[in-house]
Formats: sequence, structure tokens, C-alpha cells
Amino acid sequence: KNQVEQSPQSLIILEGKNCTLQCNYTVSPFSNLRWYKQDTGRGPVSLTIMTFSENTKSNRRYTATLDADTKQSSLHITASQLSDSASYICVVSLGGGNKLTFGTGTQLKVEL
Amino acid sequence: DGGITQSPKYLFRKEGQNVTLSCEQNLNHDAMYWYRQDPGQGLRLIYYSQIVNDFQKGDIAEGYSVSREKKESFPLTVTSAQKNPTAFYLCASSIGGQGLNIQYFGAGTRLSVL
Repeated sequence: KNQVEQSPQSLIILEGKNCTLQCNYTVSPFSNLRWYKQDTGRGPVSLTIMTFSENTKSNRRYTATLDADTKQSSLHITASQLSDSASYICVVSLGGGNKLTFGTGTQLKVEL
Repeated sequence: DGGITQSPKYLFRKEGQNVTLSCEQNLNHDAMYWYRQDPGQGLRLIYYSQIVNDFQKGDIAEGYSVSREKKESFPLTVTSAQKNPTAFYLCASSIGGQGLNIQYFGAGTRLSVL
């Protein structure tokens, strides 16, 4: 069964600190992996998309890594800000078609 | 919200009533999608359309219907056959198929049952 599991389920950090969110998947065959940010009561917004051959991709203070051999990805947030408080969703695309599998998200709260 | 407009933001449905959620995009995208989001679960695909006048069922299509008469519009009807409609509904669009292209989401419609 194709699954995407994220950890931790929730996380609280102080403003200015770094954090890393994890994503493990069993989707096969694999096409690409995306990270989305979803503010409460809003639609998700794309942060990064990585294909099989990409190990790292950055978008401002967000850096995503991908290890296709171990089927793991991480999202590192540097120098967190209050506006980073949101749910971060890992999404894996099934190769050869249009199927996306969504993780349940990590709920991040950044506090003063 | 990337040029995708969903309305209304909040919607209430009575027992036995059909309700329609609106989704309009001005991104000139061919593909459009409807997802349902429930607490503690990942987004689940209800219906998708890759071109005007064509659409396919997703993983949880029962109790829902859609139409795609115009490229810009992809309304979702929640019928009385959907026994558990309370959820957050998200519409998205992409240039091509969702497998290769980034999806842009609307702000969502929260549906509740009275």
C-alpha cells in the first residue's frame, strides 16, 4: 500500500531556532516529492518539488532533502519566524500516472 | 491563493439537501481537482478534470458530482447521498497532470451539516 508518514505530528519551537521535519514514504514507483505549507483555514502552498535525481533543494529559509534509496525526505527550516507556524505536508507522486499520496502533515508552532 | 477562487468560505447543509461549491481559476490551467481534508488525514482526491467536458473519479467520489463546462470553472456538488459531508474542501489546478506539475490551491470551503 502506498503511504506517506510524517513525523513529528506536532512541534513547538522558539522563534529564531531551526527545526527539521521528517517524511518517510512507501510509494512505488516514485516520480517526485513535494513539500507544501498550509496555514490554518487556507489552501496548501508549494515550497519545493524534487525528482528522483535531486538530493537537496532550497527555497529561502526552507531546505528539503531527498534520499530515494531509503525513501526518506526532510524539510529543514532555518531561523524560524512566527509566520512559519503552519502545517507542513509531504506529498509523493506515483510514477507513470497522476496519483498523489498526501501525508497527514506536521503541525509547527513558533513561539516568542 | 494563486488565482484560484473558492466560494463560499463557509457552507451549511441541511439533511437531504444538495449543495454546490464553486471553484474558478484564471491561471489558464487545463487540469483541476477537488480534494477533501479531514482532521488527522491526508488530502483525498474526490474528482479531477484534465480537460473541458471530461472528468474522472478520484478515490472518494461517491456522493459527489462535478461538471467542467468551461476551462475556468469546476463546481463540486455534494449530494444527499454523501452521508458524512462535514469537511474542508479544497480545489486545485495545474498546467497539466498532477503527477508532474505543481498544484495551486484555493483557500477552501468549510462545509458543515445543520
